[in-house]
Amino acid sequence: AQSVTQLDSQVPVFEEAPVELRCNYSSSVSVYLFWYVQYPNQGLQLLLKYLSGSTLVKGINGFEAEFNKSQTSFHLRKPSVHISDTAEYFCAVSEGGSARQLTFGSGTQLTVLP
Amino acid sequence: NAGVTQTPKFRVLKTGQSMTLLCAQDMNHEYMYWYRQDPGMGLRLIHYSVGEGTTAKGEVPDGYNVSRLKKQNFLLGLESAAPSQTSVYFCASSQHSYEQYFGPGTRLTVT
Repeated sequence: AQSVTQLDSQVPVFEEAPVELRCNYSSSVSVYLFWYVQYPNQGLQLLLKYLSGSTLVKGINGFEAEFNKSQTSFHLRKPSVHISDTAEYFCAVSEGGSARQLTFGSGTQLTVLP
Repeated sequence: NAGVTQTPKFRVLKTGQSMTLLCAQDMNHEYMYWYRQDPGMGLRLIHYSVGEGTTAKGEVPDGYNVSRLKKQNFLLGLESAAPSQTSVYFCASSQHSYEQYFGPGTRLTVT
């Protein structure tokens, strides 16, 4: 069975600093990987996804993530954060299959400080 | 194009009461999902559907039932609410790309 571990529950960072949110997964088969963002009192919005091809994936709002199969990781990065990036970020994995189910990590609260 | 909508947005129930949460999508998606979100636990899958007339259990199905009589709607029912079901409930839909589109959520409190 697949599982996702987000290593940091809270990440405070100053505005314009770089940030990395860590995600590791466990699966016995090939996977598809996702990062979602949740702003306060809203639903989840897709930031980026890895399905196949290049291991460096670019998403919306200047975020990118790198798929590392040997380390079973999919860390999210942004070179310079803004106050508006304050939100909760979820890593998710799918093993495919007919139901296309996602398994989510427990989330990382990113707080950007002025 | 409203995407995924959920009704109601908020609800307070007493223990033992029943209710139905409605999810509707206008994207003609085949797959629909119900999740619950609890602090520190991410989203956990309750039930899902791979097409009209089909439903299946997810990770935490106990105490919930679902129906998908029409392709665009996915209903989540609580027959006898318990305080442990206090949570935020999200509906999502997807087609063939694995990307799921989420609704705005329903905040349910059971007292």
